[in-house]
Amino acid sequence: KQEVTQIPAALSVPEGENLVLNCSFTDSAIYNLQWFRQDPGKGLTSLLLIQSSQREQTSGRLNASLDKSSGRSTLYIAASQPGDSATYLCAAASGGSYIPTFGRGTSLIVHP
Amino acid sequence: AAGVIQSPRHLIKEKRETATLKCYPIPRHDTVYWYQQGPGQDPQFLISFYEKMQSDKGSIPDRFSAQQFSDYHSELNMSSLELGDSALYFCASSLAGQGAAEAFFGQGTRLTVV
Repeated sequence: KQEVTQIPAALSVPEGENLVLNCSFTDSAIYNLQWFRQDPGKGLTSLLLIQSSQREQTSGRLNASLDKSSGRSTLYIAASQPGDSATYLCAAASGGSYIPTFGRGTSLIVHP
Repeated sequence: AAGVIQSPRHLIKEKRETATLKCYPIPRHDTVYWYQQGPGQDPQFLISFYEKMQSDKGSIPDRFSAQQFSDYHSELNMSSLELGDSALYFCASSLAGQGAAEAFFGQGTRLTVV
């Protein structure tokens, strides 16, 4: 059974810092890994999708990397802004139905 | 572009009542997933459908059932509601039949059981 862990659980940084969020998964036979953003009480917004054959994906100030052999993915946020404050979840898709299994998320606060 | 539509967005029910949540996947997507997210928790997989057939089952209680209809919309039926069923319920769809496609999530239905 796939298990996904995210470290740290919470992070508070001043505006402008570059930061790294970590995601690890136990079953390396994944098909893809997605990073999501969730604002309090709201839905899931997909940020980046990395297919199992890819090493990284970039979108604006976000860069996600994937190392299947070590069961790890990282989300790098450059020049963080207060508007980045949210919970960031990763989900690894595995199994016959490519079911995304989520981690508990990293709660990020970027203060001005 | 069309997204995954869930209805209703909010629902308040009393204990022991029933609730039906609806999900309209992105057109031509062949797979639907249902998730439950309790307060402060990660989304937990409940059940999935591929081409209108149940494909996988997660931690879905026996009081819950789901189906996917001929038009590909899906419904999650919840009976004998308990206070602990209060959560955000997400539906997602993908083109899994074409291999490891991205899962697109709806905005969720917030169910409150009082």
